Order: sequence, then C-alpha cells, then structure tokens
Amino acid sequence: GAVVSQHPSRVICKSGTSVKIECRSLDFQATTMFWYRQFPKQSLMLMATSNEGSKATYEQGVEKDKFLINHASLTLSTLTVTSAHPEDSSFYICSARTVNTGELFFGEGSRLTVL
Amino acid sequence: AQSVTQPDIHITVSEGASLELRCNYSYGATPYLFWYVQSPGQGLQLLLKYFSGDTLVQGIKGFEAEFKRSQSSFNLRKPSVHWSDAAEYFCALTGGGNKLTFGTGTQLKVEL
Repeated sequence: GAVVSQHPSRVICKSGTSVKIECRSLDFQATTMFWYRQFPKQSLMLMATSNEGSKATYEQGVEKDKFLINHASLTLSTLTVTSAHPEDSSFYICSARTVNTGELFFGEGSRLTVL
Repeated sequence: AQSVTQPDIHITVSEGASLELRCNYSYGATPYLFWYVQSPGQGLQLLLKYFSGDTLVQGIKGFEAEFKRSQSSFNLRKPSVHWSDAAEYFCALTGGGNKLTFGTGTQLKVEL
C-alpha cells in the first residue's frame, strides 16, 4: 500500500523552542493531509486539515498560531509547534488522502516531548 | 454531530480464542466506517472499511466486521487470535467528508 512517512519519529525540545514535524507521501500525491494529536491512552483528535496550496482548516479549539501547518507540495505537509510548552508533549500523527482513489493512509507518528 | 463509542477500554483473550471488539456510532445517515490497528509508538493501519453493500466486511489479518444499522454497530471479529494481534484498535467513521471521528480505542492483550 501507499506509504506516509513522518520525520522525526521522536523529538525532545526545550520549552519555548519551535519544532517542525514533516509528513511525506512517498509514492503518491496527496492534495489533502490531516494532522491528529493523540494523548496517552486516548483517541486521535483531528487538529487540522491541510490542503495543498491553501491555508489549513483548524478544528475548534486548536490555536492556528501555535500549530503552524504548511502544505507546500502534493507530497509534503509540515506541522510546526511554536513556542512549545510541556503541555504540547504528545504523539502527533498525520494522514494523507490519495488524489487518485481518495484512500487515507497514516504516518507512523511523531512523539514530541517538551522539557 | 457524529460520534463513535468503543465501550471496552481493555480486553484480554487467550491466544487461539475468538475475539469481538465492540463499536457503536451515532450519525444521521449511513456512515463510512473503519477499523484501524495501532501498535505501540506506531501510526495506524487500516484493517477494513465499510462504505456500502454487503454488511459483512472482510479485512486484513483475518479480521471481519459486521455493519448493523438497527443497532448502530460495527463490531470487529476474529475467529482465532494470535499473539501478534495485541495492539490498540480504533473504530472510526466519516460522513463522506474529510473529518474522521475516532473512538477512544480498545487495548487488546493476548495471553499465551
């Protein structure tokens, strides 16, 4: 099946710094990518929908200035957590929808730890 | 509003035993339903999906699920569980748009 890769898989940063997480569709084009956040032992919560070449659509309660999303190409979306705080520590998962079939594929996730 | 409920947070079964994970949904029309599996520290892998047609859906790794409209359910089953099936399982739905709503997940433990 199609592959979605996230990088880095794990990142530790200091409070106040910014962290960028990449989501790449390796063998297909994706006009739409999604970013989820998963707290320990909880479900995935959709943070935002990222559309190639346009602004992301954020879910209610998600700070767009805190979680910057850029979808510059059909194979890459990035999530930047700005001025990270310990409460931003979480598992972030992206998914990408194929242009051809509309199927959804998930990345392996990125674990962010803010000290 | 759409929602997904997975009543069982944890389930433990013996290897070789049968498995059923429950999923109930709330949606105003016929939803698109999915089951995903997540191994520790990993992303999600699609097990199976229901869009329309036959209400008994076959998936990968020997899993199947049955859509029951009258019960608003989409339970996941496997006749004989393997130790490698231990993972977190998520039921999810979408109304055909972009938003995928997940249940809270069921953690499956397999005893050898």
